Amino acid sequence: DAKTTQPPSMDCAEGRAANLPCNHSTISGNEYVYWYRQIHSQGPQYIIHGLKNNETNEMASLIITEDRKSSTLILPHATLRDTAVYYCIVRVAGSGGSNYKLTFGKGTLLTVNP
Amino acid sequence: DAGITQSPRHKVTETGTPVTLRCHQTENHRYMYWYRQDPGHGLRLIHYSYGVKDTDKGEVSDGYSVSRSKTEDFLLTLESATSSQTSVYFCAISEGARNTIYFGEGSWLTVV
Repeated sequence: DAKTTQPPSMDCAEGRAANLPCNHSTISGNEYVYWYRQIHSQGPQYIIHGLKNNETNEMASLIITEDRKSSTLILPHATLRDTAVYYCIVRVAGSGGSNYKLTFGKGTLLTVNP
Repeated sequence: DAGITQSPRHKVTETGTPVTLRCHQTENHRYMYWYRQDPGHGLRLIHYSYGVKDTDKGEVSDGYSVSRSKTEDFLLTLESATSSQTSVYFCAISEGARNTIYFGEGSWLTVV
């Protein structure tokens, strides 16, 4: 699986959009970009994933550049409860044994301030 | 809510004693996983299962065994707990064409 690079920490004001970047310059054509977050003392929570098109769900939006070498997770209206470590992961998606490979790096600690 | 229940959520045990952690899912997913999370190491896969009675080792399987006799339950056993197995253990599940992996809330194990 391709390696990702994320800033170690970011701050965001409550109510503002939080934009979390991720670089994955060695991503392969069959690798998806996944985002998870982990709030202190909780299990990792799935947020969103995508292949090459932008994606949106009730939690966030995912913007993937045309060359797929980077992406941005957008939390449109950050709240204090969004304070967490956010992980960007690239992995092959599909059936078979390879789907267990989830390599979590150090992620980005997002702190939402009142 | 991914329909995953881990038990116990917190346990303190003595070195050398056996410990079993249970993961129960209500989603009827085929794949189940046990990870451990430690500072400086991130999440590491211990064992996983791809069906009833079908299991395989992950990257840190030494000292652990697993069993899956029913689709909904995946048990992780430490036959003789050691202090190095003090950790947070996460169960996870996945199913479907895109195989998104969903995690449970974790079991905190302390071996003294």
